[in-house]
Amino acid sequence: EVQLVESGGGLVQPGGSLRLSCAASGFTFSSYWMGWVRQAPGKGLEWVANIKKDGSEKYYVDSVKGRFTISRDNAKNSLYLQMNSLRAEDMALYYCARIDNGATHDYWGQGTLVTVSS
Amino acid sequence: DVVLTQSPLSLPVTLGQPASISCRSSQRLVYSDGNTYLDWFQQRPGQSPRRIIYRVSNRDSGVPDRFSGSGSDTDFTLKISRVEAEDVGVYYCMQGTHWPPITFGQGTRLEIK
Repeated sequence: EVQLVESGGGLVQPGGSLRLSCAASGFTFSSYWMGWVRQAPGKGLEWVANIKKDGSEKYYVDSVKGRFTISRDNAKNSLYLQMNSLRAEDMALYYCARIDNGATHDYWGQGTLVTVSS
Repeated sequence: DVVLTQSPLSLPVTLGQPASISCRSSQRLVYSDGNTYLDWFQQRPGQSPRRIIYRVSNRDSGVPDRFSGSGSDTDFTLKISRVEAEDVGVYYCMQGTHWPPITFGQGTRLEIK
């Protein structure tokens, strides 16, 4: 059974940093692209970033470029999102997702909440 | 960027009645490999999104056959033949043809009348 478990969310001040993690199990992690999608309170879904199977390619939504870094450790079956210079508009529930052919997000975690507030 | 426009944004439906959600794209979603990467997700209250339809019309495992997807080019539709109480939630379309960025529709909230 595919499982994705996010962690690392919490309360951070504007301008602060946070590192999200996603522990994957139930599939061959190194065979899939992975990504992060976020959902602000009461709002819709917004794609944040994707990373290739071997970590050699990374893509970001414009609003986080230069501030967020997606990475992975295939030996640990783990996906990460380093978030720096956090802003109020980054406050959201962050979901980790497995990506199949055609950028389709076929499995999602339960999400980890990031709150940006002073 | 590809803009996906869903309608309606709110959909009150009587139990047992059909429901239909439209997703219109600002660009044709056929990829160079001939596939159209348009998916539908269901998000029940308090839950994570769950993919229910991929590549326009393919139902995911475990998804009831009352759900169906159709469409081509820029116009796509998710249909529920007979709405049940467990179908309440928000439905999103998503395109993975022209990315980055991957884009989602605004979401359609289905409720029971």
